[in-house]
Amino acid sequence: EAQVTQNPRYLITVTGKKLTVTCSQNMNHEYMSWYRQDPGLGLRQIYYSMNVEVTDKGDVPEGYKVSRKEKRNFPLILESPSPNQTSLYFCASSLAQVTDTQYFGPGTRLTVL
Amino acid sequence: AQSVTQPDIHITVSEGASLELRCNYSYGATPYLFWYVQSPGQGLQLLLKYFSGDTLVQGIKGFEAEFKRSQSSFNLRKPSVHWSDAAEYFCAVGAQGTYKYIFGTGTRLKVLA
Repeated sequence: EAQVTQNPRYLITVTGKKLTVTCSQNMNHEYMSWYRQDPGLGLRQIYYSMNVEVTDKGDVPEGYKVSRKEKRNFPLILESPSPNQTSLYFCASSLAQVTDTQYFGPGTRLTVL
Repeated sequence: AQSVTQPDIHITVSEGASLELRCNYSYGATPYLFWYVQSPGQGLQLLLKYFSGDTLVQGIKGFEAEFKRSQSSFNLRKPSVHWSDAAEYFCAVGAQGTYKYIFGTGTRLKVLA
């Protein structure tokens, strides 16, 4: 089944404790992206990747890192999480172009205390 | 700067009634436009998209949207709403020549039996 998976689905952590949210897709997509969803703000793009080893900042990259060492994986790293990073995070992938359909993962709900 | 506005935060309709969700965008060139639906606890699913050509676009689940360049709008419509359409709906713009997306803040649809 074609899908985007994220782990963990739920995470509660404390300020400053490094964490990684994994994202994997099995559709051989070149493009992958991370979003955060906050009430009243909709989805905001954090980082995106056009292919292996090619990444770029979205609108809200501060406090986040990403890497794309393999085509299927695109982990989101919070090296020193803060409470304002409490949010619902979505990973998405698409074939290649901005015109291609994005497929979203189920989301990761992160709480930073 | 690009932006997407969904002026209605909440909309309530009766089952069987028609629906129109509004979306206005600001973008310098011809935009790539999308409508996504997010059911409770789920990721986002693409309903339809517009790049060029016929300004009336058909999507899944009986939805359609009309691109009106003069009004900078891309409103989503459905002639007869079903209870299962209760969800949150997001309009998005894809930036030509980049891999960035801008999402609106969403409209939450409630359907009365």
